[in-house]
Amino acid sequence: EVQLLESGGGLVQPGGSLRLSCAASAFTFSSYAMGWVRQAPGKGLEWVSTISGSGGSTYYADSVKGRFTISRDTSRNPLYLQMNSLRAEDTAVYYCAKLGSGWAFSPIDYWGQGTLVTVSS
Amino acid sequence: EIVLTQSPGTLSLSPGEGATLSCRASQSVSSSYLAWYQQKPGQAPRLLIYGASSRATGIPDRFSGGGSGTDFTLTISRLEPEDFAVYYCQQYGSSPLTFGGGTKVEIK
Repeated sequence: EVQLLESGGGLVQPGGSLRLSCAASAFTFSSYAMGWVRQAPGKGLEWVSTISGSGGSTYYADSVKGRFTISRDTSRNPLYLQMNSLRAEDTAVYYCAKLGSGWAFSPIDYWGQGTLVTVSS
Repeated sequence: EIVLTQSPGTLSLSPGEGATLSCRASQSVSSSYLAWYQQKPGQAPRLLIYGASSRATGIPDRFSGGGSGTDFTLTISRLEPEDFAVYYCQQYGSSPLTFGGGTKVEIK
């Protein structure tokens, strides 16, 4: 069964950095696009970033562009999200997401359980 | 950016009743690249419908999706106790990918 396990969340001060990781199993990692979706406490879902299966194409929400970087090593796990210049509004549960194909414009067919990022002084 | 507006915000229904959820896009969604997800408290979302009307693996046939262009619906034919949750639509046809604000289906 497909499993996605996020790690790296925690408490960080405004302006700080954090790197999230997502370890994937039970599917051919390099064949599928991957992404990150976040959910602020008590709020709805917000797409953050997507990377194609080959790693050659990346996409970002305007709210994180220039501050967050998604990456993957196509030959091995995991998926990463490097988050810099963090703001209070970045506080959320961050979900790792597997997309349904190698193309970045695919539905999310599997989700991790999420890792909480709290940005506060 | 395609803005998705879901209505109603909350739907209060009894088990056994039917539910119709709406998702309206600010502009046409490419090739009906519209998905629906279900989220229960404390859990990750789960894919229900993709391509506007195709059920994901393992999803019961009481869930159905329809629509095209800018207007989409999710229909639950007869609500089971486990169906009370929050439902989100998402367009994945153009960047930025966007989600609707969600519809909560609660027990009346």
